[in-house]
Amino acid sequence: KAGVTQTPRYLIKTRGQQVTLSCSPISGHRSVSWYQQTPGQGLQFLFEYFSETQRNKGNFPGRFSGRQFSNSRSEMNVSTLELGDSALYLCASRPPGTSNSPLHFGNGTRLTVT
Amino acid sequence: QQQVKQSPQSLIVQKGGISIINCAYENTAFDYFPWYQQFPGKGPALLIAIRPDVSEKKEGRFTISFNKSAKQFSLHIMDSQPGDSATYFCAASTGTGAGSYQLTFGKGTKLSVIP
Repeated sequence: KAGVTQTPRYLIKTRGQQVTLSCSPISGHRSVSWYQQTPGQGLQFLFEYFSETQRNKGNFPGRFSGRQFSNSRSEMNVSTLELGDSALYLCASRPPGTSNSPLHFGNGTRLTVT
Repeated sequence: QQQVKQSPQSLIVQKGGISIINCAYENTAFDYFPWYQQFPGKGPALLIAIRPDVSEKKEGRFTISFNKSAKQFSLHIMDSQPGDSATYFCAASTGTGAGSYQLTFGKGTKLSVIP
């Protein structure tokens, strides 16, 4: 089975621009979560989607948004980019089952804001 | 507010030695405690996980010890190998209703195993 696929792997954007990141979950996984990883703050939860609905959101400003499509693929969007948004953005999917079934992470999209 | 505190930040261990990473949590509602391993350029990968109804879980060279009363858990890597050199994250989660799920991570421990 193919793992979680994230595209693109690297992005360089300028302050004020907006960016869209893409994630394809493992086949059969309907839950997709997004995490931001930075050296200072570590891994922080952004949001989770299930069946095209956002069912949980972390403590991030409204500039961070996402969506999920009927095939479970997900995108996240960051508008009005700030320097502090430079980070590794990780997508994770998990199989159906109990609420604590394991998360499977992709290799991330490295976003650099200049 | 950091809900999961992880130590040490970095660790150097001789090949064949035991690596020990500790985590402490505050939220007593946490009911699932996984450990993730991350290599440079890769996403975190689940290593081993434990629930609070057991005090220890072992998988190969990796063991989680869990102390519910102290709200602490630790990862032990026996017979550490250079291939174990990676960053390790402890995490905790609790169902937030409607099947929702989020992990709260520790800040990570960079392990270097020297030959």
